[in-house]
Amino acid sequence: NAGVMQNPRHLVRRRGQEARLRCSPVKGHSHVYWYRQLPEEGLKFMVYLQKENIIDESGMPKERFSAEFPKEGPSILRIQQVVRGDSAAYFCASSLGGGNTEAFFGQGTRLTVV
Amino acid sequence: TQLLEQSPQFLSIQEGENLTVYCNSSSVFSSLQWYRQEPGEGPVLLVTVVTGGEVKKLKRLTFQFGDARKDSSLHITAAQTGDTGLYLCAGLIGNTGKLIFGQGTTLQVKP
Repeated sequence: NAGVMQNPRHLVRRRGQEARLRCSPVKGHSHVYWYRQLPEEGLKFMVYLQKENIIDESGMPKERFSAEFPKEGPSILRIQQVVRGDSAAYFCASSLGGGNTEAFFGQGTRLTVV
Repeated sequence: TQLLEQSPQFLSIQEGENLTVYCNSSSVFSSLQWYRQEPGEGPVLLVTVVTGGEVKKLKRLTFQFGDARKDSSLHITAAQTGDTGLYLCAGLIGNTGKLIFGQGTTLQVKP
């Protein structure tokens, strides 16, 4: 999983604030995925993006959550008006695409809403 | 909804013992990946199995993909304390790269 960089590693937000999570994929990877992991649970798919396009957002809550992967710069997962239930570890993964779907994960951002 | 049932959820064994973790689904997957996750870290890819009936070995770890590509198993021989961690199976949906994860197996190997 070397190369997928997520920041910040830890993020504390008060209820109602906004959280911005950043992910820089492995160099050369054009496919990015966001997953959420609640305590004692497996990872749940949220959204799949390619450069400038959202391919599949079926796992993302329709309200307050948004994601982007601009032409330049990292992918951003944005959570508006955070609530306590948003507290979780958020992982980003990237893959090369073009038939190569092996995903490499970052170290995650642990969001705590107080 | 595609689900991947992983069992057991928790396993505590003595060093030197063997163990098997199972992943089962009613869905067919393009491939299945096994990850290991340490506390506070992201999942690290161990292996990808693609072909029905495929068996892959990684030192003391043996991974098998079911003939129908609906289930998989991870067998560890002579477990060591360094094997302690969370093991996750994940099925690939089509060619999108989207993964469906099992709930994970927390393995504790005691000295």
